[in-house]
Amino acid sequence: AQSVTQLGSHVSVSEGALVLLRCNYSSSVPPYLFWYVQYPNQGLQLLLKYTTGATLVKGINGFEAEFKKSETSFHLTKPSAHMSDAAEYFCAVSGYTGGGNKLTFGTGTQLKVEL
Amino acid sequence: DAGVTQSPTHLIKTRGQQVTLRCSPKSGHDTVSWYQQALGQGPQFIFQYYEEEERQRGNFPDRFSGHQFPNYSSELNVNALLLGDSALYLCASSLGSASRWETQYFGPGTRLLVL
Repeated sequence: AQSVTQLGSHVSVSEGALVLLRCNYSSSVPPYLFWYVQYPNQGLQLLLKYTTGATLVKGINGFEAEFKKSETSFHLTKPSAHMSDAAEYFCAVSGYTGGGNKLTFGTGTQLKVEL
Repeated sequence: DAGVTQSPTHLIKTRGQQVTLRCSPKSGHDTVSWYQQALGQGPQFIFQYYEEEERQRGNFPDRFSGHQFPNYSSELNVNALLLGDSALYLCASSLGSASRWETQYFGPGTRLLVL
């Protein structure tokens, strides 16, 4: 079974400051991990994903995440926040049991960017 | 290239009624997954369809059923609606290999309100 824990349901940063959104996972098999962003009244958009290989993954809009097996973490970062980054962010792990590849999501982190 | 589309965008129903939600996958995709996102929560996996068969199912009662058509579009049906079924219903499409690294692309969702 797979699960994801996102620490901090709300994060507030100043424009230009570092963004750090935390995600820890639990998986009985090598994990495949995803970060999605959801803007108000919209569906989910993929930011980045980790499958195998390089542990530092770069995504869209300047975001990146580092897979750390020893810490079972996949934290999302962006060096400099922009007002347009304000949204809800979801970490997810992909499971594959008995066919199918469902995503198991965390409860999300609402990012607020202040002037 | 059209992305995932869903209809309707909003829906209001009464307890006990039945509802059908529709989804057209991204061009070239043959697998459709459905998720329920309650207010303030992460999406929860309902089921996944591939080759017109339900391939995987989450922890949802039999009131939730689905169908996939030969053109890969899909429907989600919910019978005997409860107040707790009020949520955003998201459809996601992907390629059918069921590999855990396959990205799922999400539609904008259908917001269902049960009164």
